[in-house]
Amino acid sequence: NAGVTQTPKFQVLKTGQSMTLQCAQDMNHEYMSWYRQDPGMGLRLIHYSVGAGITDQGEVPNGYNVSRSTTEDFPLRLLSAAPSQTSVYFCASSYTTGAAKNIQYFGAGTRLSVL
Amino acid sequence: AQTVTQSQPEMSVQEAETVTLSCTYDTSESDYYLFWYKQPPSRQMILVIRQEAYKQQNATENRFSVNFQKAAKSFSLKISDSQLGDAAMYFCAVEIQGAQKLVFGQGTRLTINP
Repeated sequence: NAGVTQTPKFQVLKTGQSMTLQCAQDMNHEYMSWYRQDPGMGLRLIHYSVGAGITDQGEVPNGYNVSRSTTEDFPLRLLSAAPSQTSVYFCASSYTTGAAKNIQYFGAGTRLSVL
Repeated sequence: AQTVTQSQPEMSVQEAETVTLSCTYDTSESDYYLFWYKQPPSRQMILVIRQEAYKQQNATENRFSVNFQKAAKSFSLKISDSQLGDAAMYFCAVEIQGAQKLVFGQGTRLTINP
């Protein structure tokens, strides 16, 4: 059971480049989300999804796009990278019902540097 | 908006001793969950313990326990018999029931001295 898988683990971009951070989960979780973690701060929610075809904005959505075409995958797109997007990005997933509801499982993170 | 405050940026404890990490939060909701997550140097976020706000009994998980004071909006984590493997960043988080969106504190770096 792989859990939540994020790729790549590390990435360096130049300002203005675009890229997609991948997130996949094999637990059939309905809920998936993206967070960013900056030095000295806790994680902040970027976007989230409660099921295939449904996405919504979190606390810091500017500069990021998401889509959810399948239950398993929830990619995060940076359309035009900026140095302010240098951060560690985490994907998380959870059930929306049942005893395990609210227990979010996190991926290992992607460290992104924008030069 | 919900906020979470961890007032101790760093804490240290001797191996085998007990340490308490503090967390306060602010929410206008009556139904919510509280969490403590551990982040070791590997960067992986690991759930330590979960507390449902409507339950008065404090949650415990082996050497980890919480002191939940709902009226004071306080949620501290007690680690008993500290072990070297407990060294990590610890994050307190609140999740509003039904929303499943986590709001995190700034974290406390815990060092275990052998």
